Amino acid sequence: AQSVTQLGSHVSVSEGALVLLRCNYSSSVPPYLFWYVQYPNQGLQLLLKYTSAATLVKGINGFEAEFKKSETSFHLTKPSAHMSDAAEYFCAVRGAGGYQKVTFGTGTKLQVIP
Amino acid sequence: NAGVTQTPKFRVLKTGQSMTLLCAQDMNHEYMYWYRQDPGMGLRLIHYSVGEGTTAKGEVPDGYNVSRLKKQNFLLGLESAAPSQTSVYFCASSNGPQAGGNQPQHFGDGTRLSIL
Repeated sequence: AQSVTQLGSHVSVSEGALVLLRCNYSSSVPPYLFWYVQYPNQGLQLLLKYTSAATLVKGINGFEAEFKKSETSFHLTKPSAHMSDAAEYFCAVRGAGGYQKVTFGTGTKLQVIP
Repeated sequence: NAGVTQTPKFRVLKTGQSMTLLCAQDMNHEYMYWYRQDPGMGLRLIHYSVGEGTTAKGEVPDGYNVSRLKKQNFLLGLESAAPSQTSVYFCASSNGPQAGGNQPQHFGDGTRLSIL
């Protein structure tokens, strides 16, 4: 069985500060990992996805995530927060082989303080 | 360039009433999903479909039924609505695994459903 843990349901950062949103996963097979962003009253949008080609993945809006197998982590970072980054972020994991459902984390709400 | 479209966007029902939520996608995706989103619980899979004419249960299927008569449409039905089904419902679609395992899901904007 696969699972995802997002540490911190709410994170606050100052505008211009580093954004770090944590995600740890468990999976019995090499995982497919994703980060999604949800703005108010909207559906989830793909921010980035892990491919085996590189451990550091760059996504949209200046976000990136690093896959660390030894730590079973896929933390999301952005060097400098912008007010428009305020949203809820979801980490997700999908097992390999055939149909494997996607398991979503419980989400982290990011607040950006001016 | 619609992507995934959900109708209606909002609905208020009384306990015991029935309704159908419609999801339509124009990306020729094989897989479609229905989730519910509740505060602090992330997204929970209700039902999913891996192709036209096929459906399967997710982790919280009780009280819901689905149908996929056409590849582009996935319907979610509530036969007898209960207050516990008050939630935001999201439909999503994706390519199948033949396109690669890291296929993301594409989401609609949700249906906000209140059961009184």
